Amino acid sequence: DAKTTQPNSMESNEEEPVHLPCNHSTISGTDYIHWYRQLPSQGPEYVIHGLTSNVNNRMASLAIAEDRKSSTLILHRATLRDAAVYYCILRDVRRIQGAQKLVFGQGTRLTINP
Amino acid sequence: EPEVTQTPSHQVTQMGQEVILRCVPISNHLYFYWYRQILGQKVEFLVSFYNNEISEKSEIFDDQFSVERPDGSNFTLKIRSTKLEDSAMYFCASSGAPGQLTGELFFGEGSRLTVL
Repeated sequence: DAKTTQPNSMESNEEEPVHLPCNHSTISGTDYIHWYRQLPSQGPEYVIHGLTSNVNNRMASLAIAEDRKSSTLILHRATLRDAAVYYCILRDVRRIQGAQKLVFGQGTRLTINP
Repeated sequence: EPEVTQTPSHQVTQMGQEVILRCVPISNHLYFYWYRQILGQKVEFLVSFYNNEISEKSEIFDDQFSVERPDGSNFTLKIRSTKLEDSAMYFCASSGAPGQLTGELFFGEGSRLTVL
């Protein structure tokens, strides 16, 4: 599985934007970039994914570098409820509709200050 | 919104006892998974299941572990003879609704297993 690198922790203030970086320099042309998060005492939950273009949904935005070797998850206006561990995961698009496991790294622990 | 449900939320057992953790995946999903997370550590893949058989398993998933989908709705993880190091949060997940293009996995809230 292609590897991703994320900072261990980040801190931000409530109602401010948060930019969570992820490096994936060995990404292949068939890898999607997925983001999941894990709120305290809960299971992981899907946030967003993308291939080449920037993506927006109700939870967040995903900015993907032109060379695809890095990406940034953007929370436009952080709330206390966004405090979680955020995982950047690569998944092969050729297997996306099969029983393809997710491989979790350590992720970035995001702390939101009131 | 449909969700994955897991029972029990917490189970305490003695070392050497058998444990069964139960999951009800989202009803139209085709692929099922078990993960575990030891306290303070990362989420680890155990096994994936499709069409009534294991499609992939990790090194953690040894002969002490088994999975079953006995009745078309439940998906169970059995640990035959628990060890202290099996203490962890166990997460069930499902994916693969027809027409779902994202391959998104939906996780349950987890079952905490404590082995004494």
